[in-house]
Amino acid sequence: NAGVTQTPKFQVLKTGQSMTLQCAQDMNHNSMYWYRQDPGMGLRLIYYSASEGTTDKGEVPNGYNVSRLNKREFSLRLESAAPSQTSVYFCASRTGRWEETQYFGPGTRLLVL
Amino acid sequence: AQSVSQHNHHVILSEAASLELGCNYSYGGTVNLFWYVQYPGQHLQLLLKYFSGDPLVKGIKGFEAEFIKSKFSFNLRKPSVQWSDTAEYFCAENYGGSQGNLIFGKGTKLSVKP
Repeated sequence: NAGVTQTPKFQVLKTGQSMTLQCAQDMNHNSMYWYRQDPGMGLRLIYYSASEGTTDKGEVPNGYNVSRLNKREFSLRLESAAPSQTSVYFCASRTGRWEETQYFGPGTRLLVL
Repeated sequence: AQSVSQHNHHVILSEAASLELGCNYSYGGTVNLFWYVQYPGQHLQLLLKYFSGDPLVKGIKGFEAEFIKSKFSFNLRKPSVQWSDTAEYFCAENYGGSQGNLIFGKGTKLSVKP
């Protein structure tokens, strides 16, 4: 199993450009998450999907949209990138059972100029 | 709002020294707590977790953590660190119930000198 995969690994955007970060998991997990990681801030939840067909806002959703395309895939879209969105983005997934933890992908490093 | 506090931003130790990283959580309900590790350039990996039962939790690579409800604490410990333990460590709490939403501390960077 590949676990949680993310594409691209690294991206440079200009202010105002749009892009979609892709995430896929092959563990048949119900729940999926998008986080951003900034120095000294830890990880902050952007959006999550508790199950296929549902999405909800997390702590820092402004400037982002998400799509739970199917059970495997959960994408994050930046419609008009801003320098404040320069960050490392992590996708995670989880079975949905109470005692289970989240499994993280390798991350996408995004630089917005 | 729930929060997780990690007291130390950067800890520098020599090999074989003992380690204790502090973590305090604020949510007073049913508590699920985690410690994750992030090695340089890598993604987060689970070290250990607490859901219920024995408050002393053992994880991978010789790490352990003690849940002390009266102190709202979940400190991470290792008796003897190695250079390979150099990483950033994150404490996290599940505040989302069955949804599993985590709130993370800001992280503690551990540097181990050989």
